[in-house]
Amino acid sequence: EAGVAQSPRYKIIEKRQSVAFWCNPISGHATLYWYQQILGQGPKLLIQFQNNGVVDDSQLPKDRFSAERLKGVDSTLKIQPAKLEDSAVYLCASSLGLAGGAQFFGPGTRLTVL
Amino acid sequence: QKEVEQNSGPLSVPEGAIASLNCTYSDRGSQSFFWYRQYSGKSPELIMFIYSNGDKEDGRFTAQLNKASQYVSLLIRDSQPSDSATYLCAVRDNYGQNFVFGPGTRLSVLP
Repeated sequence: EAGVAQSPRYKIIEKRQSVAFWCNPISGHATLYWYQQILGQGPKLLIQFQNNGVVDDSQLPKDRFSAERLKGVDSTLKIQPAKLEDSAVYLCASSLGLAGGAQFFGPGTRLTVL
Repeated sequence: QKEVEQNSGPLSVPEGAIASLNCTYSDRGSQSFFWYRQYSGKSPELIMFIYSNGDKEDGRFTAQLNKASQYVSLLIRDSQPSDSATYLCAVRDNYGQNFVFGPGTRLSVLP
């Protein structure tokens, strides 16, 4: 069974530029999560989808971050414009359903904002 | 703001010893509890999860849950140098929402 796929793995941009991350969850997993993990901290949930609907985006900085999961499978997370403090690893995870056990993580995208 | 707290460590134990990792949480509505291991530069990987009070064993790992005291712990028996990593505690409510991670405890197993 293929795991969660993410791309790109690394991205370096200058502040005020935009960037997009892509995630493909494990086949059959209805719930998809985007996390931000700053070095030395635990992952912080940015947004949670159930199929193509948003379940929780309370910690998503909506003035600059956006995410979509149009067909209930792949998802894209966008930052526009980026700030220095956005430098972090962006992790995508998926689970079978809202109460469907644990989440499985992709390899992450390491973003550096200069 | 729902919080999950862990001692950041580092926790150092000799090879073959028992490592004990602790986690406390603030939300009494939390129903599911997870332990993840994260090697440096890698993404978190699931070790085990627990839903009910008491102990749950899986190989060298034992998770312990006490909902009344709002803490969950992870014991690693016969610790190996390969167990050296950051261990993340995560909690979730009964509706599959409010998934919150702790800051992690860094474990170092000394050969």
